[in-house]
Parts: sequence; structure tokens; C-alpha cells
Amino acid sequence: GNSVTQMEGPVTLSEEAFLTINCTYTATGYPSLFWYVQYPGEGLQLLLKATKADDKGSNKGFEATYRKETTSFHLEKGSVQVSDSAVYFCALKNTGGFKTIFGAGTRLFVKA
Amino acid sequence: EAGVAQSPRYKIIEKRQSVAFWCNPISGHATLYWYQQILGQGPKLLIQFQNNGVVDDSQLPKDRFSAERLKGVDSTLKIQPAKLEDSAVYLCASMRTDHYEQYFGPGTRLTVT
Repeated sequence: GNSVTQMEGPVTLSEEAFLTINCTYTATGYPSLFWYVQYPGEGLQLLLKATKADDKGSNKGFEATYRKETTSFHLEKGSVQVSDSAVYFCALKNTGGFKTIFGAGTRLFVKA
Repeated sequence: EAGVAQSPRYKIIEKRQSVAFWCNPISGHATLYWYQQILGQGPKLLIQFQNNGVVDDSQLPKDRFSAERLKGVDSTLKIQPAKLEDSAVYLCASMRTDHYEQYFGPGTRLTVT
């Protein structure tokens, strides 16, 4: 079945450090891939997406590239800020399907 | 545009009691989801509606959980009777038909003692 595996947290970084959060997936067909972010006390919100192989999603300085050969969608940011502290969820949705499968989430702490 | 509304935000009940959660999706969003998010885990789909019909309820514990979306707009999720393991955040999300982005409400944090 479809599944998403992401690196365990928490990840603790200093401000302006480089961020990578790893995400790999298992799916039939050609899923769309997403990163959602959950700030403290809020619901999840879409951060970025990619719908086909080699697509790069980007938003707010975050990027992720859909790598079909390695079934990965790693999240990166060149210089994190304290305000990026949140939980990040990798997710996939199969073509034509309504169901989205979420990873377990990775908590990021950024220190000033 | 107003977001997805949920109430209550917090609820504490004793085991074997009943509880109900309410969700009002974004206007015009035909698809509505209820998720259970246990601490330290990702959201797990409980039930998905398309208008007022159920699309997927395969992971809903039907002996104690029920949900309805009678007029294809707002929805109610009920637990009766609650167990300790039902302690979680219950998230509601909505989506436009044939789109990809789900919009989430702030969730209801349920504590069962």
C-alpha cells in the first residue's frame, strides 16, 4: 500500500543554518507529493507541492524536488528562522484519488 | 475567505462518556475529511465525504464513532462511548472537487480520563 516515511525529530538548528528533512515514499502509479506545516496551536497548511517527477516545489524559501528514481521528496531551506519552528509533514496523494497519506511529522526547533 | 471552523477547541471527558465535534468547511468545498492525530503521529483519515455521501470510512471504528454531513455543508463527528485511546486532536479539512490542496481547521483536542 501507499506510505510515507520521514526522518524522526526533533531537529534543532540555530538561526541561519541549513535545513534538510528527509522524506521517502512508497506508492503505485505517479502520486502527487506535498509538504504541510503545522505551527503551534494551528491546523496543517500546505507549504509546497510537486505533481510529477523532477518537479520542484517551492514556497517561503523552502524547496523540495520530486525524485522518482529514489522515491524521495526531501525538504530543504538554505537559512532557517526562529519563525520556521513547527512540525513538518510529508504527504502523498495518488492520481485520481481523494485520499492523502501523511508521514508521522518532523518537529523543527530553531534557536536564536 | 473564511477558513475551516471547528468547535469546541478543547474537550475533556471521562471514559465511557459521549462527545461530539462540529466542523464547518470553506464555502463551496464539496469534499470534507475528518482525521485523528495522536500525539507524535501524522493525521490518520477517519472518514471522507463528497457532498453528503461517504467516500471512505474504512478506518472509522464504527462500533463507537459516527459522522454525518446531512446537507452537504457542515459535519458532526461523534464518539460514543469514548475510550482512553481516543485522546487525540481531531482535525477537519475541506477541499474543492478535483483539486489537491486540503484546508485544515485548528482541530479539537480531546482528552479522555
